[in-house]
Amino acid sequence: QQKVQQSPESLSVPEGGMASFNCTSSDRNFQYFWWYRQHSGEGPKALMSIFSDGDKKEGRFTAHLNKASLHVSLHIRDSQPSDSALYFCAASEHNNNRIFFGDGTQLVVKP
Amino acid sequence: EAAVTQSPRNKVAVTGGKVTLSCNQTNNHNNMYWYRQDTGHGLRLIHYSYGAGSTEKGDIPDGYKASRPSQENFSLILELATPSQTSVYFCASGDWQGATEVFFGKGTRLTVV
Repeated sequence: QQKVQQSPESLSVPEGGMASFNCTSSDRNFQYFWWYRQHSGEGPKALMSIFSDGDKKEGRFTAHLNKASLHVSLHIRDSQPSDSALYFCAASEHNNNRIFFGDGTQLVVKP
Repeated sequence: EAAVTQSPRNKVAVTGGKVTLSCNQTNNHNNMYWYRQDTGHGLRLIHYSYGAGSTEKGDIPDGYKASRPSQENFSLILELATPSQTSVYFCASGDWQGATEVFFGKGTRLTVV
């Protein structure tokens, strides 16, 4: 069973719209959650992290964590065509060097 | 910014041949990882390392070997390449105790014919 599951598989939003991604985990030992973004032809790059319950905002990006329900989400407001990419959720346990990635959500922002 | 360099960027190999993918990081990170990425499967961990001389099996190690001769270098070796190993391979490094980000290379596109 995959430890990190993402939805939806793909997402299309108009420029200026809101894009939302979801991630659920099956391991209650996960303490650290990250969102990575991968543009076509590139390697993934860390977008933001969230370690505590609640919201974390960085510019147009807001992450939300609910450890009780093992649910993480990412929201992009005022989406731009340059946000078109593959978005991964990643999770890890404390003092464990393994990183578990979801299968990703492909975002297309249409001008 | 942290740098992870993979070589080659593209490789065509013949079935049954030996393939070595190389990765170099200048970040002085202890941990290094090899992933493969296929459509519909996201990033799957092949091997990883905690430091020079160490290698650990990831989720899909069959058909792959890894070597970490130094802090900076981590290689992925396909002793007998098969068409099913056609994929994009990513190397990454980090001091991942959970709380720090991992840095990825640009990837190697491997085609086994």
